[in-house]
Amino acid sequence: DSGVTQTPKHLITATGQRVTLRCSPRSGDLSVYWYQQSLDQGLQFLIQYYNGEERAKGNILERFSAQQFPDLHSELNLSSLELGDSALYFCASSVKGQHNEKLFFGSGTQLSVL
Amino acid sequence: AQTVTQSQPEMSVQEAETVTLSCTYDTSESDYYLFWYKQPPSRQMILVIRQEAYKQQNATENRFSVNFQKAAKSFSLKISDSQLGDAAMYFCAYTENGANSKLTFGKGITLSVRP
Repeated sequence: DSGVTQTPKHLITATGQRVTLRCSPRSGDLSVYWYQQSLDQGLQFLIQYYNGEERAKGNILERFSAQQFPDLHSELNLSSLELGDSALYFCASSVKGQHNEKLFFGSGTQLSVL
Repeated sequence: AQTVTQSQPEMSVQEAETVTLSCTYDTSESDYYLFWYKQPPSRQMILVIRQEAYKQQNATENRFSVNFQKAAKSFSLKISDSQLGDAAMYFCAYTENGANSKLTFGKGITLSVRP
């Protein structure tokens, strides 16, 4: 167990809807990363937060947004969902917020858009 | 842009044998880090091994070792004494040392272990 908790584990929704994915980092970790894993795109970095502030941005769509709260948990909001948004969404955490550190990953949220 | 290439989609190894997974990358930087992550059927990504580019010595973690060839931009993972629990997808990943760096993953390779 990595210590990173993601909820829900599975999510099924319809096109055009909005969903929120939640992540609680490992105790003591200040940084949270979001990744998307799909068959065609592979693993892609979406966005990173460190101690409540956005630190780095990757291939995140404008329809997607995220935030990190004072208790350090993070939420990824996906809106106006499309079929192509179906993917496994991972959250990871680390101590210093550097991508060259060891990242601890959650088990992911499997999103299916029908 | 930096790219990470894993050209073999699948590999198979007999239990207790040794297998090598290949990875190449493209970068113009000299200060960077390379990783191998394992994704078992449980889906959770687990760090297997980490290599700093400026270190000449190849990283080793128990049965896992790397062959890091900086000039050739090659970073292969060797798994010795393969075990059934090693069956998983393995991803090679790269990141630079900098404020705006991000982790770039290869497409992954599925490793099966035959009993």
